[in-house]
Amino acid sequence: AQKITQTQPGMFVQEKEAVTLDCTYDTSDQSYGLFWYKQPSSGEMIFLIYQGSYDEQNATEGRYSLNFQKARKSANLVISASQLGDSAMYFCAMRGLYNQGGKLIFGQGTELSVKP
Amino acid sequence: KAGVTQTPRYLIKTRGQQVTLSCSPISGHRSVSWYQQTPGQGLQFLFEYFSETQRNKGNFPGRFSGRQFSNSRSEMNVSTLELGDSALYLCASSLKKGVGNEKLFFGSGTQLSVL
Repeated sequence: AQKITQTQPGMFVQEKEAVTLDCTYDTSDQSYGLFWYKQPSSGEMIFLIYQGSYDEQNATEGRYSLNFQKARKSANLVISASQLGDSAMYFCAMRGLYNQGGKLIFGQGTELSVKP
Repeated sequence: KAGVTQTPRYLIKTRGQQVTLSCSPISGHRSVSWYQQTPGQGLQFLFEYFSETQRNKGNFPGRFSGRQFSNSRSEMNVSTLELGDSALYLCASSLKKGVGNEKLFFGSGTQLSVL
């Protein structure tokens, strides 16, 4: 079975500062993918970044980067230069690469608040 | 390119009724997945459809069903509604089958309230 754990229910960060959102995972799959999604109050889930278990380099997408530590089974999201529009719920998710027919397993989420 | 469109945005029903939610995927996307989001249980996978076939189903009772049409649009149906079915129902589409690094693109959801 797969499991995602996000231990920070809520976090505050000052505008323009960097913030790290924690995510640990558990899986017996050898090949898997890790995703981060952002959910503003509008409800829509917005894809941020993806990391494959065999990717040698940490993924980056603009201000988002993923600190992937495979041995520790962690996939923390780093947001650089926070903006007010970054205030939202953030979800870490995973999926086995070759099974489970598309099903994403989500963590409970972290609510990020950016202070001006 | 238009995103994933879900209708209606809000829905209020009473216990025992049934409801149908609709999802139009991004043009060209052939896979549609449905998720239920509640404050207590978080995001839970309901089912995935690809080319009109259900590929996978989550751990939900048979009251929850879905289908996909030839134009990739999908509907999900919940019969005999219970209070616990109150949730945000999110639809997601992807270009191919939802495996590997295939990204899911979500709609804004349908907020269902069961009274």
